[in-house]
Amino acid sequence: QVQLQESGPGLVKPSETLSLTCAVSGYSISSGYFWGWIRQPPGTGLEWIAIINHSGSTYYNPSLKSPVTISVDTSKNQFSLKLSSVTATDTAVYYCARKALTSHAFDYWGQGTLVTVSS
Amino acid sequence: EIMMTQSPATLSVSPGDRATLSCRASQTISNNLAWYQHRPGQAPRLLIYGASTRATGISARFSGSGSGTEFTLTISSLQSEDFALYYCQHYINWPLTFGGGTKVEIK
Repeated sequence: QVQLQESGPGLVKPSETLSLTCAVSGYSISSGYFWGWIRQPPGTGLEWIAIINHSGSTYYNPSLKSPVTISVDTSKNQFSLKLSSVTATDTAVYYCARKALTSHAFDYWGQGTLVTVSS
Repeated sequence: EIMMTQSPATLSVSPGDRATLSCRASQTISNNLAWYQHRPGQAPRLLIYGASTRATGISARFSGSGSGTEFTLTISSLQSEDFALYYCQHYINWPLTFGGGTKVEIK
């Protein structure tokens, strides 16, 4: 059974960097698929942030105001997200998820982690 | 960027009734569309991909249809666990985008 688990600080100060990690179990990231981050700000819908595959190819949502970096560590079977210079608008529940190769949809998701940007 | 518009924003349905949710893409996406169910405090769950193919383990109560720019998710005979938020999402190109969601609530 594929499982994803987000981890990271729940509170980040404005202008600082938000860093999250998604640990994957039940499947080896190096075997394939795309691995992504999606967020849900309070009271709004889902927003795709970024995605990476096992070989390091990346795609980003150009709509995000804060600079974004996604990376993968196949040795630890995890991938990470960094948002720089965050503002209050980056407050959201952040989900990591796997994008399937056959269906092309996000078939496995983490439970999500709330990150609040506040001083 | 392809915009996904869902309607209605809220749908009030009685248990046992049918719910019909709509999703419109701002340009053609063929059948590159997924539907997700999102219950509060839980991870979103993939229901439908390819516009009409049910994901593994998804009840036959859920069905998807459409192609091009107009799509529909139908939930027949609503059960208590079906009252939730539903999102559509295209995956034809980058950036991936979601619709604003439809909340299915108990009437």
